[in-house]
Amino acid sequence: AQSVTQLGSHVSVSEGALVLLRCNYSSSVPPYLFWYVQYPNQGLQLLLKYTSAATLVKGINGFEAEFKKSETSFHLTKPSAHMSDAAEYFCAVSDGAGNGGYNKLIFGAGTRLAVHP
Amino acid sequence: DGGITQSPKYLFRKEGQNVTLSCEQNLNHDAMYWYRQDPGQGLRLIYYSQIVNDFQKGDIAEGYSVSREKKESFPLTVTSAQKNPTAFYLCASSKRRQGGEKLFFGSGTQLSVL
Repeated sequence: AQSVTQLGSHVSVSEGALVLLRCNYSSSVPPYLFWYVQYPNQGLQLLLKYTSAATLVKGINGFEAEFKKSETSFHLTKPSAHMSDAAEYFCAVSDGAGNGGYNKLIFGAGTRLAVHP
Repeated sequence: DGGITQSPKYLFRKEGQNVTLSCEQNLNHDAMYWYRQDPGQGLRLIYYSQIVNDFQKGDIAEGYSVSREKKESFPLTVTSAQKNPTAFYLCASSKRRQGGEKLFFGSGTQLSVL
């Protein structure tokens, strides 16, 4: 069974500092991995996704994530935090296998990022 | 602009009442989904639909019902059997049902119990 673990429900950084949000997954087949961002009282927006084309994936707003199979990790990073990055971030995994090919995503519990001046 | 529209933004339910949350998309997507979001628990799948007139239960379908009579519409009814309905409800769609597809989300409906 697939699962996603996001380490740290709350992360706080200073503006301009490195952002590192951790995600570990389990999957019995090569996974599809996603990071979504949610601003207050909004839906989720896709930041980036991994689909096996490249292990380092670049997304929107300067975020990137590296797929490390040996560590079963897909951590999200950004070199320099901006105040506008304050939001909740969700890691998700899908294998697309079984269930008739249904695109079921398993979401992590989320990490709330706070950015302070 | 193409997208997903959820209404209403806020909804209040009285004891024993059924309420319906609306979800409409103009992206011409085949697949649509309903998720429930509770603080600190991420998103949990309620129902999904891959084509018109077909839908499947997700992980927490009890106390909910859906219909998919049109490709662009996927309403969710929260029935009186759902004893803890207070949550943020998100509707999403994807072009196809295969893994790796990007999900597009609506802005959500906050449901509260009076």
